[in-house]
Amino acid sequence: AQTVTQSQPEMSVQEAETVTLSCTYDTSESDYYLFWYKQPPSRQMILVIRQEAYKQQNATENRFSVNFQKAAKSFSLKISDSQLGDAAMYFCAYIAGGTSYGKLTFGQGTILTVHP
Amino acid sequence: DVKVTQSSRYLVKRTGEKVFLECVQDMDHENMFWYRQDPGLGLRLIYFSYDVKMKEKGDIPEGYSVSREKKERFSLILESASTNQTSMYLCASSFSASGGARQTQYFGPGTRLLVL
Repeated sequence: AQTVTQSQPEMSVQEAETVTLSCTYDTSESDYYLFWYKQPPSRQMILVIRQEAYKQQNATENRFSVNFQKAAKSFSLKISDSQLGDAAMYFCAYIAGGTSYGKLTFGQGTILTVHP
Repeated sequence: DVKVTQSSRYLVKRTGEKVFLECVQDMDHENMFWYRQDPGLGLRLIYFSYDVKMKEKGDIPEGYSVSREKKERFSLILESASTNQTSMYLCASSFSASGGARQTQYFGPGTRLLVL
């Protein structure tokens, strides 16, 4: 079974600084997708960034980027120029490819606090 | 914009009551999912549906059932609520076809259920 592990229950960062959230996963599949989701205090879960396992290039979305290390099964999220609005719970998630109804497997979550 | 709505943000029920949680999506997604979110455990899949009247058990289906009579609506049913079902419940939806972007799940705002 696939597992996703976020070893940092809480992280904090100063506004305008950079922070990296860690995620490791375990799978025997070769085709899969990885996600970072953000859940602000309002509770609406939103997609931050997505990475296809077959792509060597790390995904980037504005201030958010990932460091995808396939051999090490590591998928960290880097937030640059942190803003107060980045404060949220962040979840790493995995889906195996090749199925039409992919089931997400989530990590435990990391609470990010941004200090002004 | 994808919109996933849930019938209630907060619910308080008594032990033994039958509880209905409803989810509606407006993106013509084939797949719909119910998760529960608990501190330190992340999100765990209860049930999912890949088509009208079709359902599959997730990782923690015990004590729950689901109904999908229309494509846009997916209901989670607690036949006889118990205190250990106090949790945050999140609904999500996605397209059926494989491929990174189409694997993305979109979430509702969540229902916080308290069973007394």
